[in-house]
Amino acid sequence: EPEVTQTPSHQVTQMGQEVILRCVPISNHLYFYWYRQILGQKVEFLVSFYNNEISEKSEIFDDQFSVERPDGSNFTLKIRSTKLEDSAMYFCASTQGGIGTQYFGPGTRLLVL
Amino acid sequence: GNSVTQMEGPVTLSEEAFLTINCTYTATGYPSLFWYVQYPGEGLQLLLKATKADDKGSNKGFEATYRKETTSFHLEKGSVQVSDSAVYFCALRITQGGSEKLVFGKGTKLTVNP
Repeated sequence: EPEVTQTPSHQVTQMGQEVILRCVPISNHLYFYWYRQILGQKVEFLVSFYNNEISEKSEIFDDQFSVERPDGSNFTLKIRSTKLEDSAMYFCASTQGGIGTQYFGPGTRLLVL
Repeated sequence: GNSVTQMEGPVTLSEEAFLTINCTYTATGYPSLFWYVQYPGEGLQLLLKATKADDKGSNKGFEATYRKETTSFHLEKGSVQVSDSAVYFCALRITQGGSEKLVFGKGTKLTVNP
């Protein structure tokens, strides 16, 4: 069964460093999403992406964040200058159509020290 | 606004016990409702869904009915197994202008003991 994959599974970084989280969505899916879950809190929507542009973003997704689909298979989330409060589990998801079941990856646990 | 409130965990049950995890929502319009499950070390997996009022979603012995009058989507299973130990997330889907996003509850950790 096709699945969404994410790398790395864990990442530790120093405050102020840039990180790139990678996702490979299901191959025939066209809509892509990032969510995050701070420990003990809700899973929160960050951004949706379609046709090489952002469809919607939350207030969390400020100028420090960016997304890209660089090569037709990967979907990346970049945090330009990490803060302590960016420590969270980051989930990627994809859907085939604009309104459809979202399939999630296993997540990347980011720890900012 | 749109939000999901889920029963606080953790929940610990013995094998074959009855499970209920409460979920209520606040939404404008008529959202679709979902239960996702996260097994240890894995991603979020869709467990079941319901797209309109009075729909019942079911999968792997789990059920949930979309109740518009009580704005609820409680998850139930008649007889849990050790393998059901996981974190369960209730979510609603908001669709606006062709784009969509999920709004999640906090998750409820279930532990089933043999």
